[in-house]
Amino acid sequence: EDKVVQSPLSLVVHEGDTVTLNCSYEVTNFRSLLWYKQEKKAPTFLFMLTSSGIEKKSGRLSSILDKKELFSILNITATQTGDSAVYLCAVGDYKLSFGAGTTVTVRA
Amino acid sequence: SAVISQKPSRDICQRGTSLTIQCQVDSQVTMMFWYRQQPGQSLTLIATANQGSEATYESGFVIDKFPISRPNLTFSTLTVSNMSPEDSSIYLCSVETDRAYNEQFFGPGTRLTVL
Repeated sequence: EDKVVQSPLSLVVHEGDTVTLNCSYEVTNFRSLLWYKQEKKAPTFLFMLTSSGIEKKSGRLSSILDKKELFSILNITATQTGDSAVYLCAVGDYKLSFGAGTTVTVRA
Repeated sequence: SAVISQKPSRDICQRGTSLTIQCQVDSQVTMMFWYRQQPGQSLTLIATANQGSEATYESGFVIDKFPISRPNLTFSTLTVSNMSPEDSSIYLCSVETDRAYNEQFFGPGTRLTVL
């Protein structure tokens, strides 16, 4: 059975802090690892990672994949209150297995 | 990416009734999926909606409970049948726009409450 484990489950930080979110996985068919941000209902796509060691960046967010150790991290620097959300990690081929998510709360 | 719409955005239904959720994409896509997110839980794949053939269901989900249609490459429906309070969830459709990239994009979701 595919497993995607995210840690921590939740964290509270203050504006300007840096957060690091973790995702480890064991899946039968790996093609990519995807990160999503979920604020209300729909997850919003952030990154797709397929190769080890190549950092993807978008503004204050960045992510990297380690296919040998089977994990990924998502970093958010200079956090803002608008970063408060649940961050989901998903792994697989066209069928994705999702982790439970990390709830990030950024206080002003 | 793709622009995905879902209808209805939310509904409150009585137990024993059925609700059909529609998913419309602004471009033709090969792969469409239906997910469920129960309160406080992560997303679980219900089925892959196949154009022109029966949907492929994941373990724990059956066609009688969640019939799916996909008449063309831009549209799909999911019906939640004979509902019970345990079916209260957010239902999301997603699409993969390019098989080469495996990026999935989600619709806005349907929040269903069953009384």
